[in-house]
Amino acid sequence: AQSVTQPDIHITVSEGASLELRCNYSYGATPYLFWYVQSPGQGLQLLLKYFSGDTLVQGIKGFEAEFKRSQSSFNLRKPSVHWSDAAEYFCAVGAPQKLVFGQGTRLTINP
Amino acid sequence: DGGITQSPKYLFRKEGQNVTLSCEQNLNHDAMYWYRQDPGQGLRLIYYSQIVNDFQKGDIAEGYSVSREKKESFPLTVTSAQKNPTAFYLCASSIGTGMRTEAFFGQGTRLTVV
Repeated sequence: AQSVTQPDIHITVSEGASLELRCNYSYGATPYLFWYVQSPGQGLQLLLKYFSGDTLVQGIKGFEAEFKRSQSSFNLRKPSVHWSDAAEYFCAVGAPQKLVFGQGTRLTINP
Repeated sequence: DGGITQSPKYLFRKEGQNVTLSCEQNLNHDAMYWYRQDPGQGLRLIYYSQIVNDFQKGDIAEGYSVSREKKESFPLTVTSAQKNPTAFYLCASSIGTGMRTEAFFGQGTRLTVV
């Protein structure tokens, strides 16, 4: 069965520090991977996606993610976080009608 | 601006009542979806529709109903049969349902049973 695990429920980092959010997936075929961000009370915004090709993908707002097939991972990174990055982040895998989401990682930014 | 519009943003329902959540998109997408979000549980698929006049149940369809009479619209009715309807509901759409397709989301409707 398909599944997505985000091991960290809550992460706190200082403004200007680097960030890495972890995502591990289980998927029977070639995975189609996504990272979404959700601000409180808002919908989900797509940060980036991986379908094939270069395993390092660039997204919006300065985020990037690296697909590592050997580790079944798709970790999200940002070199320097801003206070506006405080939100909940969801990793997901699959086609839209079969999207499987992780439980999310809530990011808090210390000033 | 192209996008997905959900209304209302907040909705209160008395127990035993049916309520309908609206979702409209002007992205010319064929496929539309309804997800439910509960704290700490991520998102779960309720229903989806690939084309007009056709829809399929998702993982948690019991107590919900949908219609797809127009390409742009995919309303969700939460019926009195839904035992625990208080949640955040998200509508999404995509060009199609192929594997290399991403879903775009609306801003959500928060439903509270009072």
